[in-house]
Amino acid sequence: SQELEQSPQSLIVQEGKNLTINCTSSKTLYGLYWYKQKYGEGLIFLMMLQKGGEEKSHEKITAKLDEKKQQSSLHITASQPSHAGIYLCGADFPISGNTPLVFGKGTRLSVIA
Amino acid sequence: DVKVTQSSRYLVKRTGEKVFLECVQDMDHENMFWYRQDPGLGLRLIYFSYDVKMKEKGDIPEGYSVSREKKERFSLILESASTNQTSMYLCASSLWEENTEAFFGQGTRLTVV
Repeated sequence: SQELEQSPQSLIVQEGKNLTINCTSSKTLYGLYWYKQKYGEGLIFLMMLQKGGEEKSHEKITAKLDEKKQQSSLHITASQPSHAGIYLCGADFPISGNTPLVFGKGTRLSVIA
Repeated sequence: DVKVTQSSRYLVKRTGEKVFLECVQDMDHENMFWYRQDPGLGLRLIYFSYDVKMKEKGDIPEGYSVSREKKERFSLILESASTNQTSMYLCASSLWEENTEAFFGQGTRLTVV
């Protein structure tokens, strides 16, 4: 089965600092999805990347998908306490039919004052 | 806005009980999913459904069953709850089309004692 590797597993950053989370697949993705989860709650959709080389931004969060469509990064600029939580990448793969998303194990982000 | 609602945020059940976790979505989505989330293991797919009365096994279906009698409702059933089913359960829904995001419920934290 397809797998997604996320790194790092956890991250502690000082408020105001930038950070990057990575998501890597051994196979070419069809679409890559980033979600955020507050502790003990459901997942909130952030953004989706579909095309090789695509980049999207929302407020201070930027996500990129490489040309080969096997690696994505999520970059947060000037982190704030509100950015704390678990970030998960999910992907679907070019298999026939409509398949559920496969997820990475998540990156736990803590932002300290 | 899409809303996916899970019937309970927290549940405590005894070993051997039959447990029902209910999920309802209000956007006429074809696809519905049940995942469980455990520390260090990430999100794992239990079952999913593409249509009423249809179901497909995910990666970890053992000990679970599902029911989808109406398009908006997808139930997860633990036939005889065991302590290793203590987990966070997340329901999601999405449109049939590829490259569309899944919307998640708020999660149900189930403890089996």
